[in-house]
Amino acid sequence: DIQMTQSPSSLSASVGDRVTITCRASQSISNYLNWYQQKPGKAPKLLIYAASSLQSGVPSRFSGSGSGTDFTLTISSLQPEDFAIYYCQQSYSMPLTFGGGTKVEIK
Amino acid sequence: QVQLQESGQGLVKPSQTLSLTCTVSGGSISSGSYYWSWIRQPAGKGLEWIGRIFTSGSTNYNPSLKSRVTISVDTSKNQFSLKLSSVTAADTALYYCARYYYGSSGYPLDYWGQGTLVTVSS
Repeated sequence: DIQMTQSPSSLSASVGDRVTITCRASQSISNYLNWYQQKPGKAPKLLIYAASSLQSGVPSRFSGSGSGTDFTLTISSLQPEDFAIYYCQQSYSMPLTFGGGTKVEIK
Repeated sequence: QVQLQESGQGLVKPSQTLSLTCTVSGGSISSGSYYWSWIRQPAGKGLEWIGRIFTSGSTNYNPSLKSRVTISVDTSKNQFSLKLSSVTAADTALYYCARYYYGSSGYPLDYWGQGTLVTVSS
């Protein structure tokens, strides 16, 4: 199985901050990397697919980059509604696997 | 707008079989470049992919659960289902169904159900 490692596991930030979350795959996954946002009591929501493509309806302050084994999710200016848990996920090979999540909390 | 809705048992006894169904609305389960997946999330923990099915009946399962999992599809009802046998307390989780879109680069899980809580307890 491909292991997905996210860092940090949690972070505290203020509204307006720039936030970067990192995801590393245990082997090259090309750009088969997706990012999800999960709020309490809700299902995960797709933010970014194919490492850097913004899902329809997702604000442009979210962006993704990377290829191979190293990927980042960036929120350019954190908004109150962005406090949530973020997961990366690889679709390069079965079984699909997720990172452990990064909890973004209010400072 | 595609919507997915899970339904099924909320409480299952240890050693019995968990059964859930996902109903797809807003589009045919048979059309397009989609697989249909199950994912679970224990309380306060991360996401675990269980498996997926294509409408032809072709399946892929997580090896960690493969011996206990069966996913099936009923295109006439626009539904797909999950059975997990010999459950233990470790199978207690929120279970989600989701659409896996292989027509898009990255092959994302682009639509999810709201999730249904399954508790394994005697």
